[in-house]
Amino acid sequence: EDQVTQSPEALRLQEGESSSLNCSYTVSGLRGLFWYRQDPGKGPEFLFTLYSAGEEKEKERLKATLTKKESFLHITAPKPEDSATYLCAVQTFGSGTYKYIFGTGTRLKVLA
Amino acid sequence: ETGVTQSPTHLIKTRGQQVTLRCSSQSGHNTVSWYQQALGQGPQFIFQYYREEENGRGNFPPRFSGLQFPNYSSELNVNALELDDSALYLCASSLDGNEQFFGPGTRLTVL
Repeated sequence: EDQVTQSPEALRLQEGESSSLNCSYTVSGLRGLFWYRQDPGKGPEFLFTLYSAGEEKEKERLKATLTKKESFLHITAPKPEDSATYLCAVQTFGSGTYKYIFGTGTRLKVLA
Repeated sequence: ETGVTQSPTHLIKTRGQQVTLRCSSQSGHNTVSWYQQALGQGPQFIFQYYREEENGRGNFPPRFSGLQFPNYSSELNVNALELDDSALYLCASSLDGNEQFFGPGTRLTVL
């Protein structure tokens, strides 16, 4: 069965304390892996798409990487405004149909 | 450029009723997906429409149905509402199923 697991469930960091969030997946027919940020009461905000192992993408203090079994979201020198839930999702294609599977997210709190 | 919009923002229904939720895609997008998100959980994929045809479906029963219109706006219909259908319903649009941009969601409460 296709599965996406994110860890840790929650993370508290001091401002400037770098860390990484993990997204491991077991799926067939992987087409892409997506990272989103979600603030309370709002829809997810797109961050990155990764398509193949070894690919990396960066945006401000965030860097996403992908291997054959997992993806990491590295946060460098975080600020309080980076506090949010970070969601990972995979897109699969098989038997002529697309599916999207989200993890349950990592709730990040950055303290000033 | 207009982003993804959804209506209504909030909705209260009773068990057994039917509901229609609406979504306007971002300009230039031809694909729309719908998700159900329970509190504290990740979004669960309901289905996806590409150029008015369904081309993806998650593990939701047939009472969850949808439409995509020629202008790429979309509807999610849920029949015979159950208490467990209470959730945030999210719509996301994309170009050819790539990067998805989400709307703010519709909060549905079933009593």
